[in-house]
Amino acid sequence: DGGITQSPKYLFRKEGQNVTLSCEQNLNHDAMYWYRQDPGQGLRLIYYSQIVNDFQKGDIAEGYSVSREKKESFPLTVTSAQKNPTAFYLCASSIVGGGNTGELFFGEGSRLTVL
Amino acid sequence: RKEVEQDPGPFNVPEGATVAFNCTYSNSASQSFFWYRQDCRKEPKLLMSVYSSGNEDGRFTAQLNRASQYISLLIRDSKLSDSATYLCVVYSGGGADGLTFGKGTHLIIQP
Repeated sequence: DGGITQSPKYLFRKEGQNVTLSCEQNLNHDAMYWYRQDPGQGLRLIYYSQIVNDFQKGDIAEGYSVSREKKESFPLTVTSAQKNPTAFYLCASSIVGGGNTGELFFGEGSRLTVL
Repeated sequence: RKEVEQDPGPFNVPEGATVAFNCTYSNSASQSFFWYRQDCRKEPKLLMSVYSSGNEDGRFTAQLNRASQYISLLIRDSKLSDSATYLCVVYSGGGADGLTFGKGTHLIIQP
């Protein structure tokens, strides 16, 4: 079945450590996104990519980094510079171009807790 | 600044009742509108796209009012399984970062 796979689902990290969240899609979508969701808050865009080897900062990119070496993969690294990293992280994908109506397909999310 | 506002609720509604909630948006150039459903600790999933003429899918009806810049979601004959958070999403064009999410309306259907 086509879809988006995020791993790990749950992750605990000590302060000062970097951690990388995986996101893989087999929908053949060009665009991929990372969002962060905090309790009672809307989704906030961290980074997005519309094409391989290119990505753009979203509203809250500080303390995060991404890469897009393959169309199917868009990993997110939460660095030690991120001051409040405990959150629910959602990866999503969509088609790009004339057919882009804003519909996103989400992975199941990764819940990161910093101890 | 693009904003999408929703009443966070919670809306406590008895099973079988009809419930409606609105979402207002500030960008008059917004192009597309969506309702997503998010269950507790799960990912959002598309419930409905919202068309200018209004559209219905079973017990769910979505309406768009461009003049007043709001969209609405109506749920008839509510079921226990409708309990979730409903996210209003507005697309203002401009590419992949053109989506703005509301904070969601929490709905609880009570037996």
